[in-house]
Amino acid sequence: EIVLTQSPDFQSVTPKEKVTITCRASQSIGSSLHWYQQKPDQSPKLLIKYASQSFSGVPSRFSGSGSGTDFTLTINSLEAEDAATYYCHQSSSLPYTFGQGTKLEIK
Amino acid sequence: EVQLVESGGGLVKPGGSLRLSCAASGFTFSSYSMNWVRQAPGKGLEWVSSISSSSSYIYYADSVKGRFTISRDNAKNSLYLQMNSLRAEDTAVYYCARDLDSIDVWGQGTTVTVSS
Repeated sequence: EIVLTQSPDFQSVTPKEKVTITCRASQSIGSSLHWYQQKPDQSPKLLIKYASQSFSGVPSRFSGSGSGTDFTLTINSLEAEDAATYYCHQSSSLPYTFGQGTKLEIK
Repeated sequence: EVQLVESGGGLVKPGGSLRLSCAASGFTFSSYSMNWVRQAPGKGLEWVSSISSSSSYIYYADSVKGRFTISRDNAKNSLYLQMNSLRAEDTAVYYCARDLDSIDVWGQGTTVTVSS
């Protein structure tokens, strides 16, 4: 099973700040890494697929990078509505796995 | 509009059974693999099971193998999860999710509570 480890677990940030969340895989997964945003009492929403491809309708301040074992989600100029928990997810091999989540709090 | 709507959740005693359903609309259901993903209260996301578009390939997480059965009816645009021998640790919100390698569409979830 591929283990995904996100860091940090929690981050408190101010609006307009730049945020970086990392996801490390226990073995190489190529570019089969995807990022999701989940707000309280809502289902997850796809932000970035295949490490760096923006999903339709996602604001341009969200971007992704990386390949192999190390991946990054970047949020430029954070907005209050970005308060949420962010998860990475690998579809390289079954069982599909998710990172433990990174909770972003807006100050 | 692409939509997935789950139903069938509820309160069940340990050892009991429950069948979840997911109604798909707004896309060609028979062309997509589908998944069930769950989220225990206050916890992260856990993949449960996947089924290919024609039901030829079916996979389960070790935590549910032998107890849960995924199925689909393409004529009814529906996905199912039969859950038997339920345990307290199966308590979670269960999401139906469309698979395009990434999981690009999620339902709103249905809550399963296993408690005596």
